[in-house]
Amino acid sequence: DADVTQTPRNRITKTGKRIMLECSQTKGHDRMYWYRQDPGLGLRLIYYSFDVKDINKGEISDGYSVSRQAQAKFSLSLESAIPNQTALYFCATSGVDKRTDTQYFGPGTRLTVL
Amino acid sequence: DAKTTQPPSMDCAEGRAANLPCNHSTISGNEYVYWYRQIHSQGPQYIIHGLKNNETNEMASLIITEDRKSSTLILPHATLRDTAVYYCIVRVGDTGNQFYFGTGTSLTVIP
Repeated sequence: DADVTQTPRNRITKTGKRIMLECSQTKGHDRMYWYRQDPGLGLRLIYYSFDVKDINKGEISDGYSVSRQAQAKFSLSLESAIPNQTALYFCATSGVDKRTDTQYFGPGTRLTVL
Repeated sequence: DAKTTQPPSMDCAEGRAANLPCNHSTISGNEYVYWYRQIHSQGPQYIIHGLKNNETNEMASLIITEDRKSSTLILPHATLRDTAVYYCIVRVGDTGNQFYFGTGTSLTVIP
């Protein structure tokens, strides 16, 4: 079984709809992240969380919100989806091991906003 | 985090060693070299990381020059499934900050 799972894997929605993307992990990590990737571009950080009570904005948080329901679960919401939020979304987790915090990524969610 | 420079693309014959270079001439003493790869639209996959010494795991070897200004990722026996974009990232360890993925090297393994 995969250590980091994302649901749904694909989603098509319409402008103005509320969408939630979910991420679960079995790695026992405290830190979780949401990134988006656009064609030809690198990954950009949306939000990150170091533990259940900690939420931090990343590089591109406008239009998004998150919820850390438990150590193992981190959800990303688009309150009112718009077409330029069409992208690949990746969840990642990390723990601290030997002074580094290598991040491990989920399989991604392909979101299309029409 | 230090900037990295990688060739945009490389080819490698199946079964041969793939050597992927990365320049990071402005690396600081507390920055690690990480390698990830991304197979078409899948989640980035961690490969290996190191600080000063060469490292080896079941996937690859990482060779870091003595001055730490460049490194090479070695896939000892490339297979078709190793075709992917490979990212070299230099980053301070344990910051909790994001990993900055640039454009990477697109490796094509040829039968």
